[in-house]
Amino acid sequence: GDSVTQMEGPVTLSEEAFLTINCTYTATGYPSLFWYVQYPGEGLQLLLKATKADDKGSNKGFEATYRKETTSFHLEKGSVQVSDSAVYFCALIAGGTSYGKLTFGQGTILTVHP
Amino acid sequence: SAVISQKPSRDICQRGTSLTIQCQVDSQVTMMFWYRQQPGQSLTLIATANQGSEATYESGFVIDKFPISRPNLTFSTLTVSNMSPEDSSIYLCSVEWGGGSDTQYFGPGTRLTVL
Repeated sequence: GDSVTQMEGPVTLSEEAFLTINCTYTATGYPSLFWYVQYPGEGLQLLLKATKADDKGSNKGFEATYRKETTSFHLEKGSVQVSDSAVYFCALIAGGTSYGKLTFGQGTILTVHP
Repeated sequence: SAVISQKPSRDICQRGTSLTIQCQVDSQVTMMFWYRQQPGQSLTLIATANQGSEATYESGFVIDKFPISRPNLTFSTLTVSNMSPEDSSIYLCSVEWGGGSDTQYFGPGTRLTVL
């Protein structure tokens, strides 16, 4: 079945450090890929998305590139801020009968210190 | 994007009782979804609720335990029936927005604690 694997967390960084959160997936066909973020005490927000190979999603300084050859969608940010502290979820929607079903990774807790 | 609200935002319930969670969207949407996020875990899809048809449940979830209504294009309810402490979770509704764009937006969630 479809699955998403994220790097083990939690991740702790100092402000202005470079961030990478790894995400790999298994899916039939050509899935759409997403990163969602959950800030403390808030709901789940869409951060960025990519719908086909080599697409790059970007938002708020975060980027992720859809790599079909490595089945990956790693999240990166060049300089993190304290306000980026949150839980980050990688997710996919596969095609066919799985249409509409978001499959999530286990989430990665990011803490950024001043 | 759509604005989604949920009621209640949180509740504490006794074992054996039922709770109905409401999800309201400010625009008409075809596809609505209900997810569960158990403590410290990721999100799992419970069911897909399309207006005018029966909800479609994922493996491990059954209608008797999680009955869903979808009376119109802006509203849905999820009931958690005969609750046990294992049902303590955050329950979230989401909607697909953008006409087949695959993009889902989430409500703020309902935090349920069962004693």
